[in-house]
Amino acid sequence: DAKTTQPPSMDCAEGRAANLPCNHSTISGNEYVYWYRQIHSQGPQYIIHGLKNNETNEMASLIITEDRKSSTLILPHATLRDTAVYYCIVRGPYGGSQGNLIFGKGTKLSVKP
Amino acid sequence: NAGVTQTPKFQVLKTGQSMTLQCAQDMNHNSMYWYRQDPGMGLRLIYYSASEGTTDKGEVPNGYNVSRLNKREFSLRLESAAPSQTSVYFCASQSRSGRASSYNSPLHFGNGTRLTVT
Repeated sequence: DAKTTQPPSMDCAEGRAANLPCNHSTISGNEYVYWYRQIHSQGPQYIIHGLKNNETNEMASLIITEDRKSSTLILPHATLRDTAVYYCIVRGPYGGSQGNLIFGKGTKLSVKP
Repeated sequence: NAGVTQTPKFQVLKTGQSMTLQCAQDMNHNSMYWYRQDPGMGLRLIYYSASEGTTDKGEVPNGYNVSRLNKREFSLRLESAAPSQTSVYFCASQSRSGRASSYNSPLHFGNGTRLTVT
């Protein structure tokens, strides 16, 4: 599985957009980009995933560069409840272990009033 | 729907004791996973079960055993607990139909079991 690089921490003002970057320069053609988050003491929560095209759902938008070497997760109007650790994960359709997600250390996003 | 339920929420063991962490899901998912999370680190896969009746090792299986009791339940057993197994344990499930597209379905996680081994 390709590795990802994320900044260890970021701050965002409440109500503003939070843009979380992820570098995955060794991604291969059939590998997807996934985003999960983990709010303190809870289990990880799925946010969004994509292959080539930009994706949007009720939680966030995922922008993947044309060369697929990096991506950005966008929370359009961050709230205090979005304070969490955000994980960017790259995985092929079958994964190293039947679809195993390999979690790195993620980005700790702090949304401030 | 409760989703993924883990019991117990907290547990303290002495070195050498054994225990079983329980996990149950009510979403009719085929695949289930056990992860551990240590302070300041991401999650690491211990064991997984792609479907009922099958289990496979993940990244850090040593010191653990698992049982896929039925489609709903996937338990993790520590036969002889060690302080290095102090961690937060997360169970997850995933809907996988056998079609390639279903491998991309999201994992649903429980809220963890916090285990301390003294």
